[in-house]
Amino acid sequence: SYEVTQSPSVSVSPGQTARITCSGDALPKQYTYWYQQKPGQAPVLVIYKDNERPSGIPERFSGSSSGTTATLTISGVQAEDEADYYCQSAENSGTYGGVFGGGTKLTVL
Amino acid sequence: QLQLQESGPGLVKPSETLSLTCSVSGDSIRNSRYYWGWIRQPPGKGLEWIGSIYYSGNTYYNPSLKSRVTMSVDTPKNQFSLKLSSVTAADTAVYYCARLVDDSSGDYYFDIWGQGTLVTVSS
Repeated sequence: SYEVTQSPSVSVSPGQTARITCSGDALPKQYTYWYQQKPGQAPVLVIYKDNERPSGIPERFSGSSSGTTATLTISGVQAEDEADYYCQSAENSGTYGGVFGGGTKLTVL
Repeated sequence: QLQLQESGPGLVKPSETLSLTCSVSGDSIRNSRYYWGWIRQPPGKGLEWIGSIYYSGNTYYNPSLKSRVTMSVDTPKNQFSLKLSSVTAADTAVYYCARLVDDSSGDYYFDIWGQGTLVTVSS
């Protein structure tokens, strides 16, 4: 079955830039979506269609995709950004759900 | 403002059927722009898509769970439901309902989530 892969953890100091990656063979032809999940809370969409930001999401959150790797970038990381981040994609269009990566724990030092 | 609320038993015995309902408020479940889905998260682990349903009743299930999953929609009550049969301890998880929106390319993503409900499978 299709999988997308994330590194388990990323650590950065406040004000630095955090980059969280998601890898999958179908990413060249499929969009990637990113969700932020804080402890005890439901996930929140932070990026859709590789690089679009929903209303209400701070501008420091951005996304990109190249080849088989998609990247979520958080510029000027703040303490409140500490959370788990999950990518979501699909092997083909019309999946109506797809697969999630295993998640990346962002620690703000 | 759209809100989704999961409800159902918090404890299910092994081999029995888990049943959950998601109540939608602030929009009609018949809105043709959206699908409605279930996602689960075992304690301390990642997210797993379970399945999605359209208001007409069309369903799409995760192949790994397909043999045990049934989803349905109740448009007069503005609700949709999940049934997962033959549960084991591995099905213990927080279960989320969510709205899926078309990104205009044929792909769907989850833009609004419920708060989630913990279901424990234990005798």
